[in-house]
Amino acid sequence: DVKVTQSSRYLVKRTGEKVFLECVQDMDHENMFWYRQDPGLGLRLIYFSYDVKMKEKGDIPEGYSVSREKKERFSLILESASTNQTSMYLCASGLLGDTQYFGPGTRLTVL
Amino acid sequence: QKEVEQDPGPLSVPEGAIVSLNCTYSNSAFQYFMWYRQYSRKGPELLMYTYSSGNKEDGRFTAQVDKSSKYISLFIRDSQPSDSATYLCAMSSSSGGSYIPTFGRGTSLIVHP
Repeated sequence: DVKVTQSSRYLVKRTGEKVFLECVQDMDHENMFWYRQDPGLGLRLIYFSYDVKMKEKGDIPEGYSVSREKKERFSLILESASTNQTSMYLCASGLLGDTQYFGPGTRLTVL
Repeated sequence: QKEVEQDPGPLSVPEGAIVSLNCTYSNSAFQYFMWYRQYSRKGPELLMYTYSSGNKEDGRFTAQVDKSSKYISLFIRDSQPSDSATYLCAMSSSSGGSYIPTFGRGTSLIVHP
């Protein structure tokens, strides 16, 4: 079974803090993705990566950055958290041309 | 017009009913079609994956793709309260080599005993 894990299920941070969200997959997938999910807005792609050290902007990259130093690990960084970044963050991985497998999600609250 | 349209519901049905969930899309290049199930406060889990047109069956679930009408469906037979969840459709193409899926916003399904 494909396993995608995320470092935290729930996280509470203060405005202006630097936030790291970590994602690890165990299936040797080339592609990894970060989404945020908000009521009424659905899933929105923040960043994705095709390979180690490669990254591509998704639909809403502003205020976020990513890091992929190892194939199995993809990190999302909020340089200076703001209240409008309160959301459910979902990581996914997959092979090129194949479907995506999602992690359990991190519910981030920024106060 | 959004690329993928999905009625948000909620759709409320009695236990044992046949459920039909649908998505329409506008991009004729889509070739890969997926359905995900998402329970409250959890990540989406892949339910069905089909390529191009036709039907695919897996237990109580049947996925149907009609590319001529740009319409996909997920049927759930003998629905159970445990099927209560949000169902997301997703679709992608190999255009440009990206395969990045486009998701619908999800339909909330409630199956009551």
